[in-house]
Amino acid sequence: QVQLVESGGGVVQPGRSLRLSCAASGFSFTGYGFHWVRQAPGKGLEWVAVIWYDGSNKFYADSVKGRFTISRDNSKNTVYLEMNNLRADDTSVYYCTRDIAVGVFDWWGQGALVTVSS
Amino acid sequence: EIVLTQSPATLSLSPGERATLSCRASQSVSSSLMWYQQKPGQAPRLLIYDASIRATGIPARFSGSGSGTDFTLTISSLEPEDFAVYYCQHRSNWPLTFGGGTKVEIK
Repeated sequence: QVQLVESGGGVVQPGRSLRLSCAASGFSFTGYGFHWVRQAPGKGLEWVAVIWYDGSNKFYADSVKGRFTISRDNSKNTVYLEMNNLRADDTSVYYCTRDIAVGVFDWWGQGALVTVSS
Repeated sequence: EIVLTQSPATLSLSPGERATLSCRASQSVSSSLMWYQQKPGQAPRLLIYDASIRATGIPARFSGSGSGTDFTLTISSLEPEDFAVYYCQHRSNWPLTFGGGTKVEIK
């Protein structure tokens, strides 16, 4: 069965970095693009970034552009989100999602909580 | 950036009643509109994509309609497990955006 498992969340000080991982299983990883979507505590959903199935294209929300980098390792069936210069307003649950049609999220991981606090 | 406005913010209904949720886009998104359901402590689940296509395994009581700027998610007869928050999302251009959500609560 399809599984997306995020890891790497935690508490980090403002200005520091963190890398999230999303391990995929149960399907052909190289056939899909992936997104990161986040949700601040008690708030709605915010799209963060996307990477194409072959890594050829990446897009970012303005709020993270220049600070976050999405990447993938097809040999490990894993997607990453490198987050630099973290701010308090980056505090959220970060979900990894599978893309079935450029912007349609058909499968979601359970989420990884990132808390940015001094 | 396309802004999606959902209404109402909260819908109070009883099981068995019909729910009608609205999503309005600040500019046309054609039919590139999705609906997700989120229950407390869980990840969202895809219900409808491209305005009216039910995702795999979604019951027939969920239906979507609309195009351009005005969209509707209808739940024909609410089941106890349908009380949740519903989000719309477009994929017309970058950045992708979500609406603020509609909470369907038990009256």
